[in-house]
Amino acid sequence: AQKVTQAQTEISVVEKEDVTLDCVYETRDTTYYLFWYKQPPSGELVFLIRRNSFDEQNEISGRYSWNFQKSTSSFNFTITASQVVDSAVYFCALTPVPYNQGGKLIFGQGTELSVKP
Amino acid sequence: EAQVTQNPRYLITVTGKKLTVTCSQNMNHEYMSWYRQDPGLGLRQIYYSMNVEVTDKGDVPEGYKVSRKEKRNFPLILESPSPNQTSLYFCASSWTAVGAQYFGPGTRLLVL
Repeated sequence: AQKVTQAQTEISVVEKEDVTLDCVYETRDTTYYLFWYKQPPSGELVFLIRRNSFDEQNEISGRYSWNFQKSTSSFNFTITASQVVDSAVYFCALTPVPYNQGGKLIFGQGTELSVKP
Repeated sequence: EAQVTQNPRYLITVTGKKLTVTCSQNMNHEYMSWYRQDPGLGLRQIYYSMNVEVTDKGDVPEGYKVSRKEKRNFPLILESPSPNQTSLYFCASSWTAVGAQYFGPGTRLLVL
């Protein structure tokens, strides 16, 4: 079975704190892709990052960084020096690859991050 | 502007009254999907389409129909809506089977 688990339902931090959002996934496929999406209070879903299962290098983009560890089936997301504008619901997601499931995307339950001034 | 559009954005209807939510993308994407978002459950895929006339069930297809007669359009049809289909619906599209999916603004549906 394929599954994505985000155990943290809600996180509240004060501005400028660092925060890590956890994501654990399950899949039997050897090839797969992992994603993070952001859903701000306005409701739209914004793509943040995609990572394939063969690339375990950490990724950094400004204040955002992602730690992919295949050994623990985790793809965690860290925001450094958080800001109020980071307040949103963040979703981790998995796409399996066999191509007969092309386009299938499995989401976690989401983590609601609240950054207070 | 590259985008995915959905209509209507808000809809209140009654049990059993057929409705269609339209979805259109202008990016020439091959893949399109429908999701529903419910509190505590995240987003769950309803149907997805790999190309014109090629669709497949996602995780929660019961009570929904889709069609893909043109590449840019992927309407979601509720033949006989029920209150448990009250939800926030998103359409999405992507270039490839494993590419980033780009989402529409969402359609909030209330079935009374």
